[in-house]
Amino acid sequence: GESVGLHLPTLSVQEGDNSIINCAYSNSASDYFIWYKQESGKGPQFIIDIRSNMDKRQGQRVTVLLNKTVKHLSLQIAATQPGDSAVYFCAELFTGGGNKLTFGTGTQLKVEL
Amino acid sequence: DVKVTQSSRYLVKRTGEKVFLECVQDMDHENMFWYRQDPGLGLRLIYFSYDVKMKEKGDIPEGYSVSREKKERFSLILESASTNQTSMYLCASSLNRGGGYGYTFGSGTRLTVV
Repeated sequence: GESVGLHLPTLSVQEGDNSIINCAYSNSASDYFIWYKQESGKGPQFIIDIRSNMDKRQGQRVTVLLNKTVKHLSLQIAATQPGDSAVYFCAELFTGGGNKLTFGTGTQLKVEL
Repeated sequence: DVKVTQSSRYLVKRTGEKVFLECVQDMDHENMFWYRQDPGLGLRLIYFSYDVKMKEKGDIPEGYSVSREKKERFSLILESASTNQTSMYLCASSLNRGGGYGYTFGSGTRLTVV
């Protein structure tokens, strides 16, 4: 079956630095991608999404980049703060196949003071 | 804001017990989902529903069933709990069947089967 994976299970960054979390996806038909943040003891929270007809989308302090050629997705967090410490998941969806997201295993982001 | 409420944060059940995990959403979402989350395995889809009284198997439905009698409520049932069902269970809902909207998750139920 198709899978969504993450290159690094743990990422440590200094407060104030930029963070980049990467994700590889394998279903070339996927046309919608989402990043979620999960803090300890909580359910995942939606951060930002991007459709396959775009290669970049910006939110508040976050940017998602999509490279369909190599099936790669990344989440950039600017000026990382302690409150950004969490597990980050990417997820993919093929909208023509229903509304089922496929999730990666997650990357733990640790912000060091 | 959309709110997805899971009835219990922590549950401890004995092997062989029938277990009900309840999930309610308050924004009239058509789609509802049950996932389990285990270290190193990420989120795995158990069952989902696109409408009332409708259910479809996800990737790991064995040992589980679901019920959706009302649009706002989606219940996960463990007919006979086993220790390998010890996990974090997450319920989610979404609005648009065709995609384009992210899921809203509940806070999760951590189930321990002893």
